[in-house]
Amino acid sequence: DAGVTQSPTHLIKTRGQHVTLRCSPISGHKSVSWYQQVLGQGPQFIFQYYEKEERGRGNFPDRFSARQFPNYSSELNVNALLLGDSALYLCASSNRDMNTEAFFGQGTRLTVV
Amino acid sequence: GQNIDQPTEMTATEGAIVQINCTYQTSGFNGLFWYQQHAGEAPTFLSYNVLDGLEEKGRFSSFLSRSKGYSYLLLKELQMKDSASYLCAVRYNTDKLIFGTGTRLQVFP
Repeated sequence: DAGVTQSPTHLIKTRGQHVTLRCSPISGHKSVSWYQQVLGQGPQFIFQYYEKEERGRGNFPDRFSARQFPNYSSELNVNALLLGDSALYLCASSNRDMNTEAFFGQGTRLTVV
Repeated sequence: GQNIDQPTEMTATEGAIVQINCTYQTSGFNGLFWYQQHAGEAPTFLSYNVLDGLEEKGRFSSFLSRSKGYSYLLLKELQMKDSASYLCAVRYNTDKLIFGTGTRLQVFP
C-alpha cells in the first residue's frame, strides 16, 4: 500500500515567487493536514482539510492557502515567498477516527533564496 | 495557548533506559502522540495514548496522566539507531496536532 506521497521532494524558489506543494493521502483517508517544520523545531500546524472543507487553520498569514480535491489529494500554495518560508513542509493524512494516528509523508524541502 | 513542553536535549548510553517527559495544557485534550524523527526525515509514529496508563510496544512505552497533563516516553535497551528527535504531540478537539519542539536524543557507545 502506498503511504502519503508528497511532491516535489525538494524545491528552490526566489523571494516573491509563488509555490504549490502537493500531497496524496493514504487510500481511504479523507483528512489531510499541512505542517511547516523549521530546522530545530517541531512541526507547526498550517491547515487541516476534511471532505474538501477547511476544518482548521494555524497562525499563518493569508499568503498561505490550501485546498482539497474530490480524490482527497491536497495542494498547499504560498504566495510572495519570504526567506523565512524556507522549511520542510509536511503533509499528514488520517481517517479521522478517534484512535488513529496521523501518517506523515516525506515532506517537501523548500528553500527560498 | 496550547504549549507542549519537553526537554530540548538528552544523552544516554547504549543499552541504558531513558525517559522523555512531556507536559501539556489539558483543556480540549483529545489524545497524545509520540513520534520519532531522524534528521532530514519525516516523523514516524511511535505511540498513542488517550486514556491514563502505560502503553507498551516492544522497547518503547508511553505513559499518560490526563489530570496532570503529563506524559513520558520510555526507551529501553537503547541502541545507536535510537539517536533521533522525539516529538510529543497533542490532539486538541479535532485532528489538529500541536507539537512540542522535540527532544533530541543522542545515544553514545
